[in-house]
Amino acid sequence: NAGVTQTPKFQVLKTGQSMTLQCAQDMNHEYMSWYRQDPGMGLRLIHYSVGAGITDQGEVPNGYNVSRSTTEDFPLRLLSAAPSQTSVYFCASIRDGMNTEAFFGQGTRLTVV
Amino acid sequence: GQSLEQPSEVTAVEGAIVQINCTYQTSGFYGLSWYQQHDGGAPTFLSYNGLDGLEETGRFSSFLSRSDSYGYLLLQELQMKDSASYFCALSDSGAGSYQLTFGKGTKLSVIP
Repeated sequence: NAGVTQTPKFQVLKTGQSMTLQCAQDMNHEYMSWYRQDPGMGLRLIHYSVGAGITDQGEVPNGYNVSRSTTEDFPLRLLSAAPSQTSVYFCASIRDGMNTEAFFGQGTRLTVV
Repeated sequence: GQSLEQPSEVTAVEGAIVQINCTYQTSGFYGLSWYQQHDGGAPTFLSYNGLDGLEETGRFSSFLSRSDSYGYLLLQELQMKDSASYFCALSDSGAGSYQLTFGKGTKLSVIP
């Protein structure tokens, strides 16, 4: 049982490049989220999904897109990378609304130069 | 919106007890959770309070008072491995999203 798997673990991008951060979970969880973590800022919600085909914006959605074509996968796309998007990104899943334990992937450390 | 406040740093002695407080502002939430994160690692779930009162899980306890908009995490018999950042988080009840809003974290340093 792998839990939540994120790839890649590390990435360096040039300003203006695009890329997709992958997130997959094998626990059949309905709820999935993407957070970014910056020093002293805690975790801030970028986008989330309450089920396949349903996504919504979180606190800091600008510059990011998501889709949820299957229950298992929730990729995060950076459209045109900017230095302000240098951060650590975490994907998380929750089984359902009444089970509030979130399971996190190991994170992607992204640097935009 | 939601906001949570917690101390940025706490230092405690090995074997002692430490309490990390969390105050919040929200228009509605299902419960208050606590997560632990070691440097370079991912957050891991510690505890959840859906109702007022104390929840105990081994050396960790968590408390919630909705009337005071306040909660805390209590760590007993501190060990060096407890040195980490601790985050409180609210489960959002808006639009059925159940998404978590996190505080900025408390860095706990356990010293010998």
